[in-house]
Amino acid sequence: QSVLTQPPSVSGAPGQRVTISCTGSSSNIGAGFDVHWYQHLPGTAPKLLIYGDSDRPSGVPDRFSGSKSGTSASLAITGLQAEDEADYYCQSYDSSLSGRVFGGGTKLAVL
Amino acid sequence: EVQLLESGGGLVQPGGSLRLSCAASGFTFRNFAMSWVRQAPGKGLEWVSSLSGSGGSTYYADSVKGRFTISRDNSKNTLYLQMSSLRAEDTAVYYCAKAHSGTWGGDDYWGQGTLVTVSS
Repeated sequence: QSVLTQPPSVSGAPGQRVTISCTGSSSNIGAGFDVHWYQHLPGTAPKLLIYGDSDRPSGVPDRFSGSKSGTSASLAITGLQAEDEADYYCQSYDSSLSGRVFGGGTKLAVL
Repeated sequence: EVQLLESGGGLVQPGGSLRLSCAASGFTFRNFAMSWVRQAPGKGLEWVSSLSGSGGSTYYADSVKGRFTISRDNSKNTLYLQMSSLRAEDTAVYYCAKAHSGTWGGDDYWGQGTLVTVSS
């Protein structure tokens, strides 16, 4: 049971917009700690997509965006492409655990 | 170009020990916090441990506290994870990762991972 809760899977057709939610609590997202998002293809190194709730590292397309409100955060992907099919994870800091926490991951299928 | 190369994984018996290494290049190693993150077969990413650029502050997940020790040698640009009292549930691909900023600012570069298998 992950501290941060994500839907196990989401799907969308090419060109569509999808969102992935990440729900935490008052000891992590709700406490104002930053949320980061990663894209992970099995067998490869995870890739940082969003840091500090909504900032994109250089090289990440602006099709990817992040937001946060209360105890939840979201990753939005617009103009869905086949290459976006991967696992997506949110991450934050938890003051009760005094360490990082990941969401359980969401598998994105591009139909 | 930033590169992180893990090594040291392998097969170890329950109760045994193993030391992972992560050789870093392409950035000023001592200026950045580093972490270990693992992924067990069929499971999601799990944070294991982090330490500050100086190595003076260390942090551990409850699942490994007291059994794993994170350290770094800034003169060799290398991160380590000493693992002891290994259990079957420690079986995973272990990734080293570089912090984007601060200790909790997300990780902008990751290695390809090294597989640790704990089995008799």
